[in-house]
Amino acid sequence: DAKTTQPPSMDCAEGRAANLPCNHSTISGNEYVYWYRQIHSQGPQYIIHGLKNNETNEMASLIITEDRKSSTLILPHATLRDTAVYYCIVRVANEKLTFGTGTRLTIIP
Amino acid sequence: DAGVTQSPTHLIKTRGQQVTLRCSPKSGHDTVSWYQQALGQGPQFIFQYYEEEERQRGNFPDRFSGHQFPNYSSELNVNALLLGDSALYLCASIYGAENNYGYTFGSGTRLTVV
Repeated sequence: DAKTTQPPSMDCAEGRAANLPCNHSTISGNEYVYWYRQIHSQGPQYIIHGLKNNETNEMASLIITEDRKSSTLILPHATLRDTAVYYCIVRVANEKLTFGTGTRLTIIP
Repeated sequence: DAGVTQSPTHLIKTRGQQVTLRCSPKSGHDTVSWYQQALGQGPQFIFQYYEEEERQRGNFPDRFSGHQFPNYSSELNVNALLLGDSALYLCASIYGAENNYGYTFGSGTRLTVV
């Protein structure tokens, strides 16, 4: 079973920041938080991951709370191409990826 | 740099038949995982291969088997196909079985069992 809880769907206006929340209240000390997204009919795409500190790359920012029980993925300037299902996953380095049902993000023109 | 390539992209099989799906990992990756994604669901882990051995397995019956070749490519075999095996089959690769970086996924093989 997935160890994360995400809202089933969210909308965001094009050009605005999209903030996708994820709860992982049972996360253990050696588990990383990963975010993937899946655009319709394609394979999942890795976005970002982190352990304790906030992380940023060319795609997104990941904010992890100090107690590590929740996190937020931020897409700073959403475009129509960001419409996808976003999956939040917690995992240790040698463990499989366990996907939940994710958040369906729709970017509104 | 080629990513993960899977073949074929689409496949239609009849109940009871056998199918083989193929995956070439991203250049430099040596670990391959397979996932099954039913319509409207998240991907479900089938198994992972590293150093030509099955290292982890999900909750799938023995009808699902695999192989990894010395060049790190992999095959997924499904015997005695059922209608419920209709799904998108995804291959993902990474360098090292205990790497904490992100997996690279292929675009999948859409299998329809009729």
